[in-house]
Amino acid sequence: GEKVEQHESTLSVREGDSAVINCTYTDTASSYFPWYKQEAGKSLHFVIDIRSNVDRKQSQRLTVLLDKKAKRFSLHITATQPEDSAIYFCAASITGGYKVVFGSGTRLLVSP
Amino acid sequence: AQTIHQWPVAEIKAVGSPLSLGCTIKGKSSPNLYWYWQATGGTLQQLFYSITVGQVESVVQLNLSASRPKDDQFILSTEKLLLSHSGFYLCAWSPTGGNERLFFGHGTKLSVL
Repeated sequence: GEKVEQHESTLSVREGDSAVINCTYTDTASSYFPWYKQEAGKSLHFVIDIRSNVDRKQSQRLTVLLDKKAKRFSLHITATQPEDSAIYFCAASITGGYKVVFGSGTRLLVSP
Repeated sequence: AQTIHQWPVAEIKAVGSPLSLGCTIKGKSSPNLYWYWQATGGTLQQLFYSITVGQVESVVQLNLSASRPKDDQFILSTEKLLLSHSGFYLCAWSPTGGNERLFFGHGTKLSVL
């Protein structure tokens, strides 16, 4: 089955810097790649996603890049703010599927 | 607007005791429903999903069962809790059809002692 590896377990940046979180997946049939944010002690909420028919998607300070050849996707956060501090999870699922596989999470710490 | 409510917010249970966790979605007909488990500080493991009333698919075997008795309700249960069942249980929904974003409930923190 699909496996998603999230490469950075912890990432520390200074406020205003950029942060990049990288994920790789194994199943070439995966076609939907969402990202979720989990603040301390809370549930997850959706931040951005990308589908396999594009290789880049931007929403305000967030950009997702998808490299299907390398089976890699990444989340780029620019102009980081302290409120960006959280655990970020990448995930993958195959077209028409209901199984969503998550990465292990990256704890992002943005210091003032 | 759609809302998702999970109950209870937290539970402390003894090993060997039964468990029932619930989830209700309002404002969305025929949602896809999911149960996820998160060990403390860990990743999320999908447990079950359901695309219609009365139909539940198991993704991983963890001595848990799930049911969807109504279109807007998803129940997770077991007759006998294990220590390994401790963690954070999250219910989620997505619009009809696959490959859509998940909307998570606030979760249930379960401690098995």
